[in-house]
Amino acid sequence: EPEVTQTPSHQVTQMGQEVILRCVPISNHLYFYWYRQILGQKVEFLVSFYNNEISEKSEIFDDQFSVERPDGSNFTLKIRSTKLEDSAMYFCASRSNTDTQYFGPGTRLTVL
Amino acid sequence: QKEVEQNSGPLSVPEGAIASLNCTYSDRGSQSFFWYRQYSGKSPELIMFIYSNGDKEDGRFTAQLNKASQYVSLLIRDSQPSDSATYLCAPRWGAEAAGNKLTFGGGTRVLVKP
Repeated sequence: EPEVTQTPSHQVTQMGQEVILRCVPISNHLYFYWYRQILGQKVEFLVSFYNNEISEKSEIFDDQFSVERPDGSNFTLKIRSTKLEDSAMYFCASRSNTDTQYFGPGTRLTVL
Repeated sequence: QKEVEQNSGPLSVPEGAIASLNCTYSDRGSQSFFWYRQYSGKSPELIMFIYSNGDKEDGRFTAQLNKASQYVSLLIRDSQPSDSATYLCAPRWGAEAAGNKLTFGGGTRVLVKP
């Protein structure tokens, strides 16, 4: 069964460093999402992406964040200058023309 | 501010019993409703979705939706220890569009005791 994959599973970085989180959505899906979950808190929407542009973004998704689909398979989330409060699980999700979003296993980001 | 409210639990049920989970939401414009299961340290996994008022059954799971009351519930029949997890309610707001973000509740932790 097709699934969303994410790399790395765990990323440790120093505050102020740039990180890129990678996702490979399900192959025939057209809509892509990033969510995050700080430990013990809700899953929060960050950004949605369709047709090579951002469809919607939350107030969390400020200028330090960017997304890209550099080729036909990868979907990336970049954080330019990480802060301690960026430490969280980051989930990529994708969907086809149906409503249902399928989530990847997540990347645990630890900012020291 | 659109809100999704769930009782955080834990909801403790004996093995074989029915677990009943509730979710209320603030926006009458919600179009569809998703239930995800999340094991500790793992990603959300889709259980089922419901669009129309009434009940929808899928195996041991039944989702119930009442849009007038802004209420959606999930029943887990014949609960198993493997059902022990956090259950997330996630309405989708707005018209069918490229955005289609999910707004998650805080989840209800379910503990099934053998």
